[in-house]
Amino acid sequence: QKEVEQDPGPLSVPEGAIVSLNCTYSNSAFQYFMWYRQYSRKGPELLMYTYSSGNKEDGRFTAQVDKSSKYISLFIRDSQPSDSATYLCAMSWSGGYQKVTFGTGTKLQVIP
Amino acid sequence: DAGVIQSPRHEVTEMGQEVTLRCKPISGHNSLFWYRQTMMRGLELLIYFNNNVPIDDSGMPEDRFSAKMPNASFSTLKIQPSEPRDSAVYFCASRATDSNQPQHFGDGTRLSIL
Repeated sequence: QKEVEQDPGPLSVPEGAIVSLNCTYSNSAFQYFMWYRQYSRKGPELLMYTYSSGNKEDGRFTAQVDKSSKYISLFIRDSQPSDSATYLCAMSWSGGYQKVTFGTGTKLQVIP
Repeated sequence: DAGVIQSPRHEVTEMGQEVTLRCKPISGHNSLFWYRQTMMRGLELLIYFNNNVPIDDSGMPEDRFSAKMPNASFSTLKIQPSEPRDSAVYFCASRATDSNQPQHFGDGTRLSIL
């Protein structure tokens, strides 16, 4: 079993929809949680990061962490075609953001 | 500010040849990371440096792979000899170790070994 599991998709939604992306993890030592967005032929770009359980909002994006269930989510409101990309969850334990374990990514397509 | 800069962006070479990938981290960042990304395995950490010193190279797949960081602004990842199964996208990332900021990635080198 992988330490971090992420549904690869692809996920296809109409423009304006609410998107929910999820990851589960097995290592309870993970304390730092991140979401990266990766456009085709580009490097991963940091979207959001958090240390604690609960919700963190940034514009149309909300990251949610439930450490008791070992489950993290990224919600995208009012999705736009420009959100079409692969979304990778990532997490790390003591040492902060040094040694990071990534999910394999979920490919999202937002249809105009 | 300039981001992480990687070169070349694309490399196609024949099996058995030496391949050298290059990375310039963001100025002021003292940790540098090399990753490999494939469809099957996703993004895997190969090695990371802190203050130019290799800290963890447990992800380096074989002795054919080596990485150096001669100074704070430059790192190389070398594969010698290269094999077709090394074909992947290789990313470099950097961060400031004493900050609360995660890693920032370059745009990668797409490597094809024929």
